[in-house]
Amino acid sequence: AIQMTQSPSSLSASVRDRVTITCRASQYIRNDLAWYQQKPGKAPKLLIYAASALHIGVPSRFSGSGSDTDFTLIISSLQPDDFATYYCLQDYSYPWTFGQGTKVEIE
Amino acid sequence: EVQLVESGGGLVEPGGSLRISCAASGFTFENYGMHWVRQPPGKGLEWVSGITWHSGSTGYADSVKGRFTISRDNAKNTLYLQIKSLRREDTALYYCAKDRERWLQSIDYWGQGTLVSVSS
Repeated sequence: AIQMTQSPSSLSASVRDRVTITCRASQYIRNDLAWYQQKPGKAPKLLIYAASALHIGVPSRFSGSGSDTDFTLIISSLQPDDFATYYCLQDYSYPWTFGQGTKVEIE
Repeated sequence: EVQLVESGGGLVEPGGSLRISCAASGFTFENYGMHWVRQPPGKGLEWVSGITWHSGSTGYADSVKGRFTISRDNAKNTLYLQIKSLRREDTALYYCAKDRERWLQSIDYWGQGTLVSVSS
C-alpha cells in the first residue's frame, strides 16, 4: 500500500497566520490527492481534490499544490473557524490511504 | 442537499458479524461511487472500501480484505458493509461517503457515522 506521510503532526498558529501542511507519498500518485478538514465530533469535509481543485463552497484562503509524490495545503490567512485536524488522502490506487493528520491549534 | 445516514452499528463480540447500512438522499445515488471510511476513537481516518456506481468494481483495505464485503442497492438508494470475523481493532466510527464520480475518483461528502464496538 502507498504510505502517506503528513507533516507536521501538529502546529500552533495565530489568526491571520499563513499555515503550510505537507503530504508525501511513498510512490508516484499523479495528482490524485485530496485534503479534508475535520473538527471534533464531526465528519470530515472536503477542501481540495485533484491536488489543487477547490471544492464548492470552500473559502479561497485554502489552496493546494503538488504532483507526483509531494503535495502542500496552504491556508493563506488562518481564521478562527480553521482550527481543526487536516488529512490528506491518496485516491490514485487501492487501497486508498490517508495521512496521519495535522492538528492545527491556537497559539 | 446530500444526506448520508448510517445505521446498524452496535456492540459485537470478537468473531461476530454485523451489517451496517447507509441511506442516501439528495442526489442520484445510482450515478456515483460510494465508500466506507472508519475512524477508531481518538485516532485518524482509514479508508475501508469503495464500490463503483454499478457495483462493477470494488476495493478494500488490506486490513479488512476477506472479512468485509461492500454492496449497494441502487433501487433502495442504500449502501451496505457486511462485516465478519470482527476483531477488537475493528472498533471504530464507520462513515459512509460519496464519491465525486461514477468511478472511484475522490470522496466529496460524508455521513455522520455509525459506531461499531467489538468487545467481549
